[in-house]
Amino acid sequence: DAGITQSPRYKITETGRQVTLMCHQTWSHSYMFWYRQDLGHGLRLIYYSAAADITDKGEVPDGYVVSRSKTENFPLTLESATRSQTSVYFCASSQFLGEKLFFGSGTQLSVL
Amino acid sequence: KQEVTQIPAALSVPEGENLVLNCSFTDSAIYNLQWFRQDPGKGLTSLLLIQSSQREQTSGRLNASLDKSSGRSTLYIAASQPGDSATYLCAVRFQGGSEKLVFGKGTKLTVNP
Repeated sequence: DAGITQSPRYKITETGRQVTLMCHQTWSHSYMFWYRQDLGHGLRLIYYSAAADITDKGEVPDGYVVSRSKTENFPLTLESATRSQTSVYFCASSQFLGEKLFFGSGTQLSVL
Repeated sequence: KQEVTQIPAALSVPEGENLVLNCSFTDSAIYNLQWFRQDPGKGLTSLLLIQSSQREQTSGRLNASLDKSSGRSTLYIAASQPGDSATYLCAVRFQGGSEKLVFGKGTKLTVNP
């Protein structure tokens, strides 16, 4: 089915481990985004990408790495997970900046 | 600092009531504003997008208005239904070179049968 999919849906890991969250979209949208959603903070932008091989930092990038070798994929890696990275992570995409934003269903990550 | 505020944080209404959700923002220099709906455990769904040159947008029972000069937007829901129960978030793209949307923390709406 067309759309934006995230995997895994749930993930439990330990502090210090590397974790990769996957995001795949079938619309060939140019822009892709990673957000985290936390109680009390709302949604905050981690990283975004304007096209393949073009990425930039958002509001809270520390501890995260992204890549975008193909237009449709935008994985988010936590290099050494910390408890403060326990959160719900959402991937989103849009064709152009300022257009409607389409979100995935999210990944709930717990770092123990 | 560019901020988006939604008050109240939670709202409970009886079925059939018309209701208004509020969103305020600190800077009138915006590109656009989006209203989203989020169901528990799910991602966000874009409901309406208003460009800075527009005053309102409508989709079905939903109507969103924008008043840049006062830094306000409202989402009007007509004839509310239990299926409208969700958290509604507004997000603003401010001018000034930023690539990010600034989200409010949302209003959790409960429509009681």
